[in-house]
Amino acid sequence: SQQGEEDPQALSIQEGENATMNCSYKTSINNLQWYRQNSGRGLVHLILIRSNEREKHSGRLRVTLDTSKKSSSLLITASRAADTASYFCATGTSGSARQLTFGSGTQLTVLP
Amino acid sequence: NAGVTQTPKFRVLKTGQSMTLLCAQDMNHEYMYWYRQDPGMGLRLIHYSVGEGTTAKGEVPDGYNVSRLKKQNFLLGLESAAPSQTSVYFCASSYSSLSGNTIYFGEGSWLTVV
Repeated sequence: SQQGEEDPQALSIQEGENATMNCSYKTSINNLQWYRQNSGRGLVHLILIRSNEREKHSGRLRVTLDTSKKSSSLLITASRAADTASYFCATGTSGSARQLTFGSGTQLTVLP
Repeated sequence: NAGVTQTPKFRVLKTGQSMTLLCAQDMNHEYMYWYRQDPGMGLRLIHYSVGEGTTAKGEVPDGYNVSRLKKQNFLLGLESAAPSQTSVYFCASSYSSLSGNTIYFGEGSWLTVV
């Protein structure tokens, strides 16, 4: 069963614009992770935010977490054509990594 | 710097045939996983292993078997392939079982069952 659900399913923006993707989940979590997947490739870990954190930055990435609303957002600033990929949130419940549940992803297209 | 390597990358099977997907990691990770990815479904955990000689069922284990005879290898077997097993399969590994640890993925294996 999917815990995290990304929104929107697809997003198309111009290079230089910011891209925001959202993830909603249903049950309490220990942490939330964002992964990126280029077409035909494996997933690559981007950033992890723990349930006691509200915001985290990594380069052009900004992740927020609102546990009261059970939602997270991933912001990519000053997007580049190379950012074109699918982005997945994965929610982790306390304990084992087998509890890491992936959403169905947001397909981001950055137009040059 | 190979990371997680999966073979084969592409395979076409006839219904009822068997095959094995091989996963190898060179990061000395204890934990390894097999996921499948289907359109609109995200990644679903098939089986996982918490160490050499151990395996456990994930979310969608039916129709699959796994073995972890060596720490660096995790094999996924399909004994009698079915069209419903057409999917992209990803192997992954992590240092720890804690869900707060990064999972490293292979490049995927595309399997078509006709």
